[in-house]
Amino acid sequence: KQEVTQIPAALSVPEGENLVLNCSFTDSAIYNLQWFRQDPGKGLTSLLLIQSSQREQTSGRLNASLDKSSGRSTLYIAASQPGDSATYLCAVRPGGGGSNYKLTFGKGTLLTVNP
Amino acid sequence: DAGITQSPRYKITETGRQVTLMCHQTWSHSYMFWYRQDLGHGLRLIYYSAAADITDKGEVPDGYVVSRSKTENFPLTLESATRSQTSVYFCASSESAGWGEKLIFGSGTQLSVL
Repeated sequence: KQEVTQIPAALSVPEGENLVLNCSFTDSAIYNLQWFRQDPGKGLTSLLLIQSSQREQTSGRLNASLDKSSGRSTLYIAASQPGDSATYLCAVRPGGGGSNYKLTFGKGTLLTVNP
Repeated sequence: DAGITQSPRYKITETGRQVTLMCHQTWSHSYMFWYRQDLGHGLRLIYYSAAADITDKGEVPDGYVVSRSKTENFPLTLESATRSQTSVYFCASSESAGWGEKLIFGSGTQLSVL
């Protein structure tokens, strides 16, 4: 059974700092991995999706990397801002794709960026 | 408005009652999903649907029923609510099961079973 772990559970940084969030998974046979952001009381917003054959994806100040063989992904946030404060979750989709859409989520990292 | 809408936003009910949570999307996405989010467990898939009249169980389907008579609607019914079903429920959709398809979430329904 796939297990997804996110460390640390919470992170507090000063504004302007570059930071890395970690996601590890036990079964390397994945189809893709997504990083989501969740604001308090809201749903999840997909930030980046990395396909199993890709090494990284970038969107603005965000960069996500994937090392499938070691079962790890990182989300790098450059020049953090108070508006980046949220919970960040990663989710993996099982290998084989097609109709197998049962994502496994990590429990998230709560990020606080202090002004 | 375009998007994925969940109703109600908040619901309080009693044990043993039947409760239906609604989910409506305006994109005609083929895939729709129901998740529950609990402290200590994270997000867990309850049911999903690949198209109208096609549904399948997720990780925690017991005590829940779904239907999908129309592409845009995917209601979730708790047949006889229990306190363990107190949770935040999220509906999500995806256009296809393709390689690069992202999941789009609704804002959630906070359900309390007393």
